[in-house]
Amino acid sequence: KNEVEQSPQNLTAQEGEFITINCSYSVGISALHWLQQHPGGGIVSLFMLSSGKKKHGRLIATINIQEKHSSLHITASHPRDSAVYICAVRSNTGNQFYFGTGTSLTVIP
Amino acid sequence: NAGVTQTPKFQVLKTGQSMTLQCAQDMNHEYMSWYRQDPGMGLRLIHYSVGAGITDQGEVPNGYNVSRSTTEDFPLRLLSAAPSQTSVYFCASRRLGPERVHTEAFFGQGTRLTVV
Repeated sequence: KNEVEQSPQNLTAQEGEFITINCSYSVGISALHWLQQHPGGGIVSLFMLSSGKKKHGRLIATINIQEKHSSLHITASHPRDSAVYICAVRSNTGNQFYFGTGTSLTVIP
Repeated sequence: NAGVTQTPKFQVLKTGQSMTLQCAQDMNHEYMSWYRQDPGMGLRLIHYSVGAGITDQGEVPNGYNVSRSTTEDFPLRLLSAAPSQTSVYFCASRRLGPERVHTEAFFGQGTRLTVV
């Protein structure tokens, strides 16, 4: 069983739709990261959070430590949001990261 | 501000060949790591380093060697490539803050390696 589970695995949305990607984890964590992997393969960090909520433009990330769950929301989605979104958690017992398998998002114009 | 630079971007090797994947960062980050990404699996940690002269094994270290002679560079060596090492490889770096202080990770562009 993976330490980090993401859902859905694949998501297709119409431009303008509100999108939610979920991440559940089973280990104790000190921080959770949301990463975006572009079609060209590069990975960029979107958020790093350990509690509450963070907002960056049209992206919002929330985390509930008690429920071991995080969500990434995209408001007013756009085709340029098409990418793979990866949830990663940092174990609270060391430097180990655990990664979800990613959610592939396609936003259709 | 180059961030994390990985080379090459693509590579095809024959079974048994050796090669080195290069990773360099210009942010003076103490922590550097190598991951491999395979279909249907999350990124898996191969090796990591918390500073020059210090390296340690991750989840899938077999078949790979690393060294960290400088803060900037963290090369990954495949001594005798095998088809099972066909994958996309990512290098990442971040600052090591005081305990419980968590820092953002920066990733390289990835290396797509095919071993035939």
